Amino acid sequence: NAGVTQTPKFQVLKTGQSMTLQCAQDMNHEYMSWYRQDPGMGLRLIHYSVGAGITDQGEVPNGYNVSRSTTEDFPLRLLSAAPSQTSVYFCASSKTGVSSYEQYFGPGTRLTVT
Amino acid sequence: GENVEQHPSTLSVQEGDSAVIKCTYSDSASNYFPWYKQELGKGPQLIIDIRSNVGEKKDQRIAVTLNKTAKHFSLHITETQPEDSAVYFCAATNSGGYQKVTFGTGTKLQVIP
Repeated sequence: NAGVTQTPKFQVLKTGQSMTLQCAQDMNHEYMSWYRQDPGMGLRLIHYSVGAGITDQGEVPNGYNVSRSTTEDFPLRLLSAAPSQTSVYFCASSKTGVSSYEQYFGPGTRLTVT
Repeated sequence: GENVEQHPSTLSVQEGDSAVIKCTYSDSASNYFPWYKQELGKGPQLIIDIRSNVGEKKDQRIAVTLNKTAKHFSLHITETQPEDSAVYFCAATNSGGYQKVTFGTGTKLQVIP
């Protein structure tokens, strides 16, 4: 299994540009999440999904959109990039149910907005 | 919502010494407390976790303790090795519906050979 994969690894955008960060998992996990990591602030939840067709907002959703058309994929869209969105973005997946809460993280995408 | 505080933000220890990282949480409904290790340039990876019905859990050189009354939990690493150098995150969540995890701000551990 490849686990959780993210593309691209690095990206530089100009203010106002849009882009999509890709995330895919091959573990048949129902739950998927997007986090951003900023220095001194830990990991903050942007959006999450509990299954195909179901998404919801996390702690910092403004400026981001998500969709979940398949179990495997959970792309994150930046509609109009702003310097405040400069960050490292992590996608994660986990099983449903109370038997396992472990989240599996991808390698991250480092985004710079100029 | 849940608030997780983590201390210290940086920690340097000599190889072979022990390291302790402490976290407090605010939501008494939280019942699952994982610890993640993040190596440079990689995503976080679960290293140990504890549920609220357990006070302590060990896995080789790593142990986690939980005090539900005081709402704090700690990570203990004994006989530290250079490969333990990383950023460690504590987190808290409850079992209601989606596993909405709240992370601490991280501790950068440096093990000096």
